[in-house]
Amino acid sequence: EVQLVESGGDLVQPGGSLRLSCAASGFTFSSYSMNWVRQAPGKGLEWVSFISSSRNAIYYADSVKGRFTISRDSAKNSLYLQMDSLRDEDTAVYYCARDIAHGDSVRWFFDLWGRGTQVTVSS
Amino acid sequence: EIVLTQSPGTLSLSPGDRATLSCRASQSVSSSYFAWYQQKPGQAPRLLIFGVSSRATGIPDRFSGSGSGTDFTLTISRLEPEDFAVYYCQQYGSSPLTFGGGTKVEIK
Repeated sequence: EVQLVESGGDLVQPGGSLRLSCAASGFTFSSYSMNWVRQAPGKGLEWVSFISSSRNAIYYADSVKGRFTISRDSAKNSLYLQMDSLRDEDTAVYYCARDIAHGDSVRWFFDLWGRGTQVTVSS
Repeated sequence: EIVLTQSPGTLSLSPGDRATLSCRASQSVSSSYFAWYQQKPGQAPRLLIFGVSSRATGIPDRFSGSGSGTDFTLTISRLEPEDFAVYYCQQYGSSPLTFGGGTKVEIK
């Protein structure tokens, strides 16, 4: 089955760190660019970060730049998000999402999403 | 950053009704780089429409998208029970890509 499954969400104090994982299965993970998108309680979706299939392009939203690090391991078919210096406003469900294009192409919309993992930042 | 404003916030309709969802952009969206997603509680978002009006794989033809510039519309011609959900618009013509706040389509 083609799917993405996120894990690693937890309750963490402000200033703390967390590492999210996204396990891909049913498709050639190494051929696709990947993204993290989050959804704060009662809010819409917010794009967080992008990594290309070859890892030679990485982008972040201004709200997380310098605090979050995206990475991927094609041998493990996994996407990661290292989250440091967490703030209350980072509280959200975090989704991994696959770009619809494969190879070197990027189209910036997403045809496969996981169900998300909850991150709560609170003292 | 392009801000997307969806209206109405909630749409109360009955099965068989026609649903018209609106998304307005704070600036013109370039080259028709516009998409719509559906999300049901506890589920992953699902791509419905991309390129303003192209249906994603497996999406029934009762879903259609239209618009240009700053005004975009998702139309569901006849609501089926499985269509009651939250719908999000997305622009990907300018960086950063952005999403709207969502329209909930609920059963009247």
